[in-house]
Amino acid sequence: KAGVTQTPRYLIKTRGQQVTLSCSPISGHRSVSWYQQTPGQGLQFLFEYFSETQRNKGNFPGRFSGRQFSNSRSEMNVSTLELGDSALYLCASSLTSGGTGELFFGEGSRLTVL
Amino acid sequence: AQTVTQSQPEMSVQEAETVTLSCTYDTSESDYYLFWYKQPPSRQMILVIRQEAYKQQNATENRFSVNFQKAAKSFSLKISDSQLGDAAMYFCAYRTPNFGNEKLTFGTGTRLTIIP
Repeated sequence: KAGVTQTPRYLIKTRGQQVTLSCSPISGHRSVSWYQQTPGQGLQFLFEYFSETQRNKGNFPGRFSGRQFSNSRSEMNVSTLELGDSALYLCASSLTSGGTGELFFGEGSRLTVL
Repeated sequence: AQTVTQSQPEMSVQEAETVTLSCTYDTSESDYYLFWYKQPPSRQMILVIRQEAYKQQNATENRFSVNFQKAAKSFSLKISDSQLGDAAMYFCAYRTPNFGNEKLTFGTGTRLTIIP
């Protein structure tokens, strides 16, 4: 069974640009969540989608947004990029939402903002 | 808000020996879920072990076990018979029991090195 697929794996942008990252969850998983990983702040929760609805959102500015499609694929968008947005963005999917449900992570999209 | 603290940024252990990674957390909730995730150098995080707070019995998964002390809000991970493939960043994580809440609150991680 295919794992969580994130594209692109690496990308470089300049300040002020916007970026869209894609995540394809494991087949049958309806919950997709996003995390930002940086050396300084560690792993921080961005948001979670379940059946095309955003159910939770972390403490990030409105420049960070996301959506989920009917096939459970998800995208996140960051507008007006800042240097501090350089990070590894991890997507995770799960079969059941909450509880002891295991999150299955993708390998991440490494964003560098110059 | 819940917080998770991992006070050991780096640990090392001889191959075949046992190592314990520490994790403490702060919460006002009585029920919750705790996890240890492993992130090898390839970056894909994988679940190592999970614990439900209402279960007093410590979780065990093969060479991995936890010491869950609810009153002390401590959740340490013990790795027995360490292997080279155990080298990775290990993250302790907390999840609230609220239905439909997938958010994990992670600690800052412990980098584990296995010495051959």
